[in-house]
Amino acid sequence: GAGVSQSPSNKVTEKGKDVELRCDPISGHTALYWYRQSLGQGLEFLIYFQGNSAPDKSGLPSDRFSAERTGGSVSTLTIQRTQQEDSAVYLCASSGQLAGVGYEQFFGPGTRLTVL
Amino acid sequence: QQQVKQSPQSLIVQKGGISIINCAYENTAFDYFPWYQQFPGKGPALLIAIRPDVSEKKEGRFTISFNKSAKQFSLHIMDSQPGDSATYFCAASLHPGAQKLVFGQGTRLTINP
Repeated sequence: GAGVSQSPSNKVTEKGKDVELRCDPISGHTALYWYRQSLGQGLEFLIYFQGNSAPDKSGLPSDRFSAERTGGSVSTLTIQRTQQEDSAVYLCASSGQLAGVGYEQFFGPGTRLTVL
Repeated sequence: QQQVKQSPQSLIVQKGGISIINCAYENTAFDYFPWYQQFPGKGPALLIAIRPDVSEKKEGRFTISFNKSAKQFSLHIMDSQPGDSATYFCAASLHPGAQKLVFGQGTRLTINP
């Protein structure tokens, strides 16, 4: 009955280093999303996986960002050659059907990334 | 066309009062409008959601009002309580299936005791 989990909860890195952020979605959810939340800002869509379909990568801000989802479950967001503007909270969500209305996205607690 | 605009950025309401947060959208193809509540250090959690075929939806103290012709929707929190103090985000997606959400900028709500 666990919710969406993300690791690490905090990550401090130096400019130019690569980082990997992990997301464990709710068991049985076929859709998985990554969003970015900058300080005092709304959530910005990054990438979306649905089952075995090709991912929607339309929100990735540059080719330094990539993500994969293995076995239809765990996902990893990778940021290469990090920049200071990459500092943000990275949120993962997975979705299941909310009867009568639509698909509710359940969010994890996020990974706070700080690039020095 | 994908933008959702939210106001105000911050709001202070006395305990027992009504909190009102407004959102406007541009893309008429949006078909699903959820509101999310976020406490510090936590991920957002779904509060209430509406489809454009109804003008209002109420769940407890929370009500969404939807105006399709004006492309606006709002969240009303009745009898606001200190525990409602949080950041609220409106969002929209193209259909209620598994789809990416376009979020507003958020409103930081403070309920004074």
